[in-house]
Amino acid sequence: GQQVMQIPQYQHVQEGEDFTTYCNSSTTLSNIQWYKQRPGGHPVFLIQLVKSGEVKKQKRLTFQFGEAKKNSSLHITATQTTDVGTYFCAGTLSNDYKLSFGAGTTVTVRA
Amino acid sequence: KAGVTQTPRYLIKTRGQQVTLSCSPISGHRSVSWYQQTPGQGLQFLFEYFSETQRNKGNFPGRFSGRQFSNSRSEMNVSTLELGDSALYLCASSLDSRGPSYGYTFGSGTRLTVV
Repeated sequence: GQQVMQIPQYQHVQEGEDFTTYCNSSTTLSNIQWYKQRPGGHPVFLIQLVKSGEVKKQKRLTFQFGEAKKNSSLHITATQTTDVGTYFCAGTLSNDYKLSFGAGTTVTVRA
Repeated sequence: KAGVTQTPRYLIKTRGQQVTLSCSPISGHRSVSWYQQTPGQGLQFLFEYFSETQRNKGNFPGRFSGRQFSNSRSEMNVSTLELGDSALYLCASSLDSRGPSYGYTFGSGTRLTVV
């Protein structure tokens, strides 16, 4: 079945540094979504990418969808303590009603 | 507008019992999905409903079941509870009639502990 793999599982970042989390699928995805879950909270939708090679930015966050629509990345610049949490990618196949989540990257920030 | 409401927030049950969890989606949202979240397994898809029809089901045993009502509210039921069923159960709603091509709005979840 479809698997969405996400790396790294943990990311310890010095405040002010950049980091990237990666998401890979064994099959071509119809779209990729990213969510953030704060400690003790629930996942919150960040963004969706649909087109091959698409790049979207939200302030210090840059999201990219691969040309083959099998991988995606989230890059955060100048990490702040507010970036703490777990970032999930989630993808779906065409004509599927299931959104499959990666295992998430848990980010901690050293001040 | 009101968000996704899940009840109860916390639940403690004994092995062998059954449990029913409830989810009220955002008004106008007709798609409801359920996920099980555990530290070791992440977010695992349980099932998705749209207009009272189950459109997709994850790889969970038959002890896990769900339904959706005409007002889009959804319930999931777990029978013969096992210790391994302890998890955060999350419900997510979406406008989508064609599948998850819009972002999901998650509820705060029901934390189930089986003892």
